[in-house]
Amino acid sequence: GAVVSQHPSWVICKSGTSVKIECRSLDFQATTMFWYRQFPKQSLMLMATSNEGSKATYEQGVEKDKFLINHASLTLSTLTVTSAHPEDSSFYICSASYWEGETQYFGPGTRLLVL
Amino acid sequence: AQKVTQAQTEISVVEKEDVTLDCVYETRDTTYYLFWYKQPPSGELVFLIRRNSFDEQNEISGRYSWNFQKSTSSFNFTITASQVVDSAVYFCAFRTPNDYKLSFGAGTTVTVRA
Repeated sequence: GAVVSQHPSWVICKSGTSVKIECRSLDFQATTMFWYRQFPKQSLMLMATSNEGSKATYEQGVEKDKFLINHASLTLSTLTVTSAHPEDSSFYICSASYWEGETQYFGPGTRLLVL
Repeated sequence: AQKVTQAQTEISVVEKEDVTLDCVYETRDTTYYLFWYKQPPSGELVFLIRRNSFDEQNEISGRYSWNFQKSTSSFNFTITASQVVDSAVYFCAFRTPNDYKLSFGAGTTVTVRA
């Protein structure tokens, strides 16, 4: 149980394009989903928290107009990197929990490379 | 503010050796939760364990064991008889009931050589 998927697993795009990453909880309803960013050999950095049906809460320093998050259903959250630039290249990983205080289960991550 | 310290950046062992990963946390809260996650080269974080602050019992799951000591604010993780498949980055994490955000340690890279 508690399986989280992400799509795509890899994406390469040109600078200036937008990229959408999906995060799905496959066998449970996730009231809360989290989006993280991880640079090579570093720990995870929380970008934002999304609750189903409401606006995402962004961490300090994360541009909400740059990283659009939508949590439209209890099993799906999307992260859109708008007008991507090479500095946005990173490993993006989502997690989901039954509710805010519960254990977070992580997806397999999405590697984004912006050329 | 909470803080999680994993002092060991990298550990390299030969297969079948035991390896212990240290995790020390700082908090003023009396109720909190501790976690260990494994991140293999594929990138996915795999949940290993969650421990509540009021439960100091040590836990064993197969070759994995955890030693929680409130007196020293430590939550150490031991892999017994390590295998090559144990090679991964291991993260210790902390959370309080009032804050859903996980505070992660820097991670410890474990390399198990055949």
